[in-house]
Parts: sequence; C-alpha cells; structure tokens
Amino acid sequence: AQSVTQPDIHITVSEGASLELRCNYSYGATPYLFWYVQSPGQGLQLLLKYFSGDTLVQGIKGFEAEFKRSQSSFNLRKPSVHWSDAAEYFCAVGPTNDYKLSFGAGTTVTVRA
Amino acid sequence: DAGITQSPRYKITETGRQVTLMCHQTWSHSYMFWYRQDLGHGLRLIYYSAAADITDKGEVPDGYVVSRSKTENFPLTLESATRSQTSVYFCASNQGRVTEAFFGQGTRLTVV
Repeated sequence: AQSVTQPDIHITVSEGASLELRCNYSYGATPYLFWYVQSPGQGLQLLLKYFSGDTLVQGIKGFEAEFKRSQSSFNLRKPSVHWSDAAEYFCAVGPTNDYKLSFGAGTTVTVRA
Repeated sequence: DAGITQSPRYKITETGRQVTLMCHQTWSHSYMFWYRQDLGHGLRLIYYSAAADITDKGEVPDGYVVSRSKTENFPLTLESATRSQTSVYFCASNQGRVTEAFFGQGTRLTVV
C-alpha cells in the first residue's frame, strides 16, 4: 500500500522569501503525485500533478514541484511567497492500478510580513 | 452550478443521533469519495464508490454508511453519531485513474 509523509507540520516564511515543502512517498512503482492547497474554511484545490515525463512540474499560483525517484520525494517550491499563500498544503499519491488517493498529514504555511 | 457541492456546510448534532451528509456532483464522474480531516491525520478515506450501486470501504469506515443510487449523489450517514466523529468531512470525485480528484467545500460536523 502507498503512503505519504510530510515531515514539516508547520512552516513560517517571510513574504517574498522562497518556500519549499517536503513530501516523501512509499510505493512500489512510480506513482501519480499531487499537491493540493487548502485555504482556511475551503475545500482542497489542485496545485499541480505528476504522472510521467518531465520531472519538474509547473502548477498554478507560481508553484512547481520536482519528482525525484531516487529519493522517493516530490517537494513543492515557490520562489517568492505572497501573503495569500498562507494555507495548508497536502501531498497525495495515487497508485497506477487504482484510483484512490492517499494523503499526507499536511503542512501549514504561515506567511509573515 | 457545475461542480461538487456538499450540504450542510455546518452541522451540530447530539451523540446517538443519525445524521446524513449530502454530496452532489454535476460532472457525471464515475468515482466518488468521502474523506474526514482531523488535525495531525490529514485526510483519511472513509468510503468510496466506483459507480452507481458500487461502494467499498476505505481506511476508517466504522460507524458510517454510504449509498449511491444515482451517479451524481453520494450521501454519507452516521448511524449513531459519536464524539469521535466530530470532524470536517470532504466529498470528492474524479473520472478515474490518472486524473485528479475534485473536492467539495467540506462539512464541519460537531457531535456534542
């Protein structure tokens, strides 16, 4: 069975600084990988996804993520954060032979002025 | 409106009562899911459905019942609510493998 680990529960970053959120997965083959964002009181919105091909994936809101098979990681990055990026971020993995997603516990991002 | 909608958005109920959370999607997606979100646990899958009249248990199904008589609806029922079921519940849908899931706005349920 697949699983996802997000090692950082909470990250505080200054506005304009760079952000990196870590995600490690456990799965026997190459999985499908997703990053979702949840703003306070809202549902989850897809930021980006990786299915195959180029290991650097571009998403919405200026986010990108890099799939590293050797490290079983799919870290999310943004070069310069905005106050509106304060939210909770979830990494998710989906197996290639199924349609259910497994989610990490989430990382809460606080942006300070 | 197109999309996936959950109702109610907020619900307070008493221990032992039955409560049903509604989920409706307009895309005719085959697959639908119910997750609960709790601090420190992220999202955990309760039940899922591959099509009308096909449902299956997820990670934490105890105390919940689902049905799917129509493709667009996937209600979740707590047969006898307990305080441990206080949570935020999310419904999601997707068209199948290799596609992302789309989420509703969530239902915040409090059991007192």
